[in-house]
Amino acid sequence: AQSVTQLDSQVPVFEEAPVELRCNYSSSVSVYLFWYVQYPNQGLQLLLKYLSGSTLVKGINGFEAEFNKSQTSFHLRKPSVHISDTAEYFCAVSDRGYQKVTFGTGTKLQVIP
Amino acid sequence: NAGVTQTPKFQVLKTGQSMTLQCAQDMNHEYMSWYRQDPGMGLRLIHYSVGAGITDQGEVPNGYNVSRSTTEDFPLRLLSAAPSQTSVYFCASSYSIAGGLAVPYEQYFGPGTRLTVT
Repeated sequence: AQSVTQLDSQVPVFEEAPVELRCNYSSSVSVYLFWYVQYPNQGLQLLLKYLSGSTLVKGINGFEAEFNKSQTSFHLRKPSVHISDTAEYFCAVSDRGYQKVTFGTGTKLQVIP
Repeated sequence: NAGVTQTPKFQVLKTGQSMTLQCAQDMNHEYMSWYRQDPGMGLRLIHYSVGAGITDQGEVPNGYNVSRSTTEDFPLRLLSAAPSQTSVYFCASSYSIAGGLAVPYEQYFGPGTRLTVT
């Protein structure tokens, strides 16, 4: 069975500082990995995804993530955050060939002016 | 394209009442799913469908029914509402692997329905 752990429920960071949001997963097979962002009172939208190939994945709004198979991690990074990045971020995993996606519990990023 | 639409946006029910949350997509996606979002628990899968006429249970299916008579629509029925079903409900759709098993790639989410059961 697959699972996702987002250890940080909230991450405060000053504007223009770098940020890393952590995601670890467990799965017995190869996986697809995703990061979604949810702005207040909205649905989720895809930030980036890892399906195969290069382990460094670039997404929208300057975010990137690195797939690390040995550490079963898919941490999200941004070198310089903006106020507009304040949102909740969800990591998700899907086993290849499996028809269900499992989401983490989310990390609220609060960007401080 | 409208993408994924959900109605209603807000709903208040009394315990024991039934209702249907509507979900439609215009992207011809085979895979559709319903999630509920509760504080501190992320999104939990209720039911999903890999095509018209095919549905299956997710992580928290009890108290909910679904059907998929067309590719576009995937309604979620609450049979007898309970306060524990107070939540925000999201519908999502996804394209699948061409020529193979319907596996969700990136999912496109609707705006959500906020349901309160008193």
